[in-house]
Amino acid sequence: GAVVSQHPSRVICKSGTSVKIECRSLDFQATTMFWYRQFPKKSLMLMATSNEGSKATYEQGVEKDKFLINHASLTLSTLTVTSAHPEDSSFYICSARDLGFGGYTFGSGTRLTVV
Amino acid sequence: AQSVSQHNHHVILSEAASLELGCNYSYGGTVNLFWYVQYPGQHLQLLLKYFSGDPLVKGIKGFEAEFIKSKFSFNLRKPSVQWSDTAEYFCAVNALGDMRFGAGTRLTVKP
Repeated sequence: GAVVSQHPSRVICKSGTSVKIECRSLDFQATTMFWYRQFPKKSLMLMATSNEGSKATYEQGVEKDKFLINHASLTLSTLTVTSAHPEDSSFYICSARDLGFGGYTFGSGTRLTVV
Repeated sequence: AQSVSQHNHHVILSEAASLELGCNYSYGGTVNLFWYVQYPGQHLQLLLKYFSGDPLVKGIKGFEAEFIKSKFSFNLRKPSVQWSDTAEYFCAVNALGDMRFGAGTRLTVKP
């Protein structure tokens, strides 16, 4: 079945630094990938839609300059959290749609802790 | 804007009890509906999905869900839960190309 690989699974960084999270579709091509953030005891919130070869579409309230998304190929999308602050600490999950599978496959998530 | 509501935030059941988790959505057009499960310490897994056809959908691990268009609902059911079903359950709707999730329902099954 469709597999999405997300790295790293856990990362701890200092305030003010940047962190890059990778999302790869391993056995299918994904023209569109999605980035979600999961707050404690709350649901997943869609942050942005990543489109291969074009700019990402951000949800209202999500800072484009802080959460940089790059979808340079059909199998890779990256989310970079720039100038991270403790309030950015969260669980970030990507997903991609495999048209053959007919659904959305999720990565295993990245636990970001900013200290 | 489309929204997804899961009214049960935390459900506690004993083993062998029957389960029904509610899910309602607000979008009036054609929708694709999903239920995902997140076991403790693990990532999201697809339980079942509805695209078209028979509104009663059967998924993995004995779960099923019924799409009732007139009620904008897609409730998840299982006749007899097990301790291993303890997890967080998310209903999701895809109506305009992206996925919207409900707030999730935490299910605790007591042995």
